[in-house]
Amino acid sequence: DGGITQSPKYLFRKEGQNVTLSCEQNLNHDAMYWYRQDPGQGLRLIYYSQIVNDFQKGDIAEGYSVSREKKESFPLTVTSAQKNPTAFYLCASSIGGAEETQYFGPGTRLLVL
Amino acid sequence: RKEVEQDPGPFNVPEGATVAFNCTYSNSASQSFFWYRQDCRKEPKLLMSVYSSGNEDGRFTAQLNRASQYISLLIRDSKLSDSATYLCVVRPYSGYSTLTFGKGTMLLVSP
Repeated sequence: DGGITQSPKYLFRKEGQNVTLSCEQNLNHDAMYWYRQDPGQGLRLIYYSQIVNDFQKGDIAEGYSVSREKKESFPLTVTSAQKNPTAFYLCASSIGGAEETQYFGPGTRLLVL
Repeated sequence: RKEVEQDPGPFNVPEGATVAFNCTYSNSASQSFFWYRQDCRKEPKLLMSVYSSGNEDGRFTAQLNRASQYISLLIRDSKLSDSATYLCVVRPYSGYSTLTFGKGTMLLVSP
């Protein structure tokens, strides 16, 4: 059963803490993406990766970091430098190249304690 | 001007009604267009791609007007299950590029 999984569903962060959100896909997609969604707002791109061991900053990369060591995995770390991290975080993937249809995981809600 | 603009709604319609949403985009070189559906507190899911000649999928019809830079989504015979937020999505450039998402239009279908 192919798809994209994200964990955890809910995550709580304390002040000054780094937290890592997991994203895994078994669709054999080359490209993966991280978005942030705030209430009443559109999706904003944080980072994306077109291929293993390569990634690019999106529109709001400050305070976030990623890695892409395996094709199926694209974890996102929310660092303490991100001052307003409370949001719904969505991971997506696409076949890659000019194929731009993106498929989303179920998302992680990050809340600050 | 925002890259992708949508009326946030909500659009309140009774079951069986026909409803239409429009979305405007600012970049005339935009290449690809999509409608996604997002249920409350869930992830977006692809509803349909939008082709230059227009396309239909059951009760849903999408149209593209490049001259006026807008796309539309028509839903016929609305169902309660159509209640959701509909996201307009545009790929701005040719070759590889990321997608730009509108903020969405909320649809509420009532009995």
